[in-house]
Amino acid sequence: QKEVEQDPGPLSVPEGAIVSLNCTYSNSAFQYFMWYRQYSRKGPELLMYTYSSGNKEDGRFTAQVDKSSKYISLFIRDSQPSDSATYLCAMSQGGSEKLVFGKGTKLTVNP
Amino acid sequence: SQTIHQWPATLVQPVGSPLSLECTVEGTSNPNLYWYRQAAGRGLQLLFYSVGIGQISSEVPQNLSASRPQDRQFILSSKKLLLSDSGFYLCAWSRAYEQYFGPGTRLTVT
Repeated sequence: QKEVEQDPGPLSVPEGAIVSLNCTYSNSAFQYFMWYRQYSRKGPELLMYTYSSGNKEDGRFTAQVDKSSKYISLFIRDSQPSDSATYLCAMSQGGSEKLVFGKGTKLTVNP
Repeated sequence: SQTIHQWPATLVQPVGSPLSLECTVEGTSNPNLYWYRQAAGRGLQLLFYSVGIGQISSEVPQNLSASRPQDRQFILSSKKLLLSDSGFYLCAWSRAYEQYFGPGTRLTVT
């Protein structure tokens, strides 16, 4: 079993839709959870950062962590064509700043 | 604010040639630094990380090496490139558990 699993998609939605992106993981020691957005031919950009379980909201973006299920989600409300990118989840253990990444989900928002 | 630079942005090199990619960080001191490779259709692979000057940890065996001659400078090198070294190379720095990436270098080995 891979440490972090992420559905590669591609995912295609109409503008204004609610998008749900997910990752599952196997290492119960993970405590820090991140979502990155990567536009084509660019470096990943840190979008959301969450410690342990719970929700975090930032504008149209909401990150959820369920440690009991080893499942994290990123929700995008009122999706825009500018949200079209690959979304990578990442996580790390306490005491280590090294990240383990999912392979990314490619999202296209159609106008 | 912190800024991370990588150069060159694009590179085409023949098999067997040497490689040197450079990464510098501005606006922070004593950062942890990382080199990743992202191959087409694959995830981010951690190649090297460094917690200080001259301190390099290698994550995967390969024909690449890394050096950190100054606090905010990280260099990725190879003496002889292989076709399999093609990919998108990303440098990152971290503060606590947040990592920030540079713009990347796209390397094509022909």
